[in-house]
Amino acid sequence: QSALTQPASVSGSPGQSITISCTGTSSDIGNYNLVSWYQQYPGQAPKLMLFDVSNRPSGVSFRFSGSKSGNTASLTISGLQAEDEADYYCSSFTSSTTVVFGGGTKLTVL
Amino acid sequence: QLQESGPGRLKSSETLSLMCSVSGGSISSENYYWGWIRQPPGKGLEWIGNIYDRRSTHYNPSLKSRVTIDVDTSKNQFSLTLSSVTAADTAVYYCATGGYYLDSTGYSPDAFDMWGQGTTVTVSS
Repeated sequence: QSALTQPASVSGSPGQSITISCTGTSSDIGNYNLVSWYQQYPGQAPKLMLFDVSNRPSGVSFRFSGSKSGNTASLTISGLQAEDEADYYCSSFTSSTTVVFGGGTKLTVL
Repeated sequence: QLQESGPGRLKSSETLSLMCSVSGGSISSENYYWGWIRQPPGKGLEWIGNIYDRRSTHYNPSLKSRVTIDVDTSKNQFSLTLSSVTAADTAVYYCATGGYYLDSTGYSPDAFDMWGQGTTVTVSS
């Protein structure tokens, strides 16, 4: 199975908004709303930030939002803060009953 | 909470066995699946597989021939067995869990909403 496609890196200044895209196919993102996003700091386990495309788990800042259009899902972080600097991964269920991750995006807060 | 355990090092061709201990809840809880994910050094996340209802499994096709995930309800643990390891299997291995949907098409896992801290596995020749 092929990994979902994410930009290797994105950057933004504090207070700005950034969007990370995650492109799949009609067999995964395009066919299911089981898309999730994870934040990972160096040396730590990933943390769930969004599930079912746009739902935030309890405790996750409202600054994190998600959307989906066709085969592409997006994570938007508004009001960028220094603590948002991390790696971000998207994930989707697939029609082959597997789970696929994106390659990851490194977010740099300038 | 989830906590991985297992050997930190093994040699090529050996079999890797990892356990994930579940605390604060029962591994027999309904509508929860139990999964494994790994992350090679400096690389991204790779899904290994999930187990549902203590018996049904989904595996990554690229690992399917070498992977087994099982549940031990008496110990409130689940396990990962990976045979014939090579240096390419060197990674941090995470156990994780989440909810799932079950319908006529089968099991559909939702997000991994709880993760273990990860355990480093190094395979040497």
